[in-house]
Amino acid sequence: DAGVIQSPRHEVTEMGQEVTLRCKPISGHDYLFWYRQTMMRGLELLIYFNNNVPIDDSGMPEDRFSAKMPNASFSTLKIQPSEPRDSAVYFCASSWGDRNTDTQYFGPGTRLTVL
Amino acid sequence: DAKTTQPPSMDCAEGRAANLPCNHSTISGNEYVYWYRQIHSQGPQYIIHGLKNNETNEMASLIITEDRKSSTLILPHATLRDTAVYYCIVRISGSARQLTFGSGTQLTVLP
Repeated sequence: DAGVIQSPRHEVTEMGQEVTLRCKPISGHDYLFWYRQTMMRGLELLIYFNNNVPIDDSGMPEDRFSAKMPNASFSTLKIQPSEPRDSAVYFCASSWGDRNTDTQYFGPGTRLTVL
Repeated sequence: DAKTTQPPSMDCAEGRAANLPCNHSTISGNEYVYWYRQIHSQGPQYIIHGLKNNETNEMASLIITEDRKSSTLILPHATLRDTAVYYCIVRISGSARQLTFGSGTQLTVLP
């Protein structure tokens, strides 16, 4: 099992550019989560999906952020236009929504730097 | 989800048991206690969870007090690779909602 896969691992871009982060969840998992981690705010949820449908996007900071899950094996988080304050580590996690085993498995993260 | 309180940092000697406390005095009857850890520059990693009985797996043991207002994560023989931030999270299992991370405890295992 390859675990949750995220790409790229590092992204450096200039303010105003579009950024797309990618995630491949663990096969068979029906929940997918996007988190962001900064020194100031710690780990916080941005959005999560169940069976490819967005369930809670209340953590998405602004309209500049959007997330999609076109199929069970792929999700994207897009920031357009990017700003320096978006610099953070973005984690994707997936889980199987069973009552007893809904452990979330995290990917290695994408470290985003917006100059 | 119930609020948790953890000490900001702890040290432990390599090879000794690391006991990480967590207070969750407002926990409700259907809320589980979860522990995750985050090694520097990596994604959070699940360790263990429990409802009211003590639990043990290959990584750690979880001791929950009888009134469920506090718990302790025990790493029986800490190694340098156990140096990480440890998060105690209280939530309803199976709700599939997000994990709400607090500040956690920075555990440093000393050689």
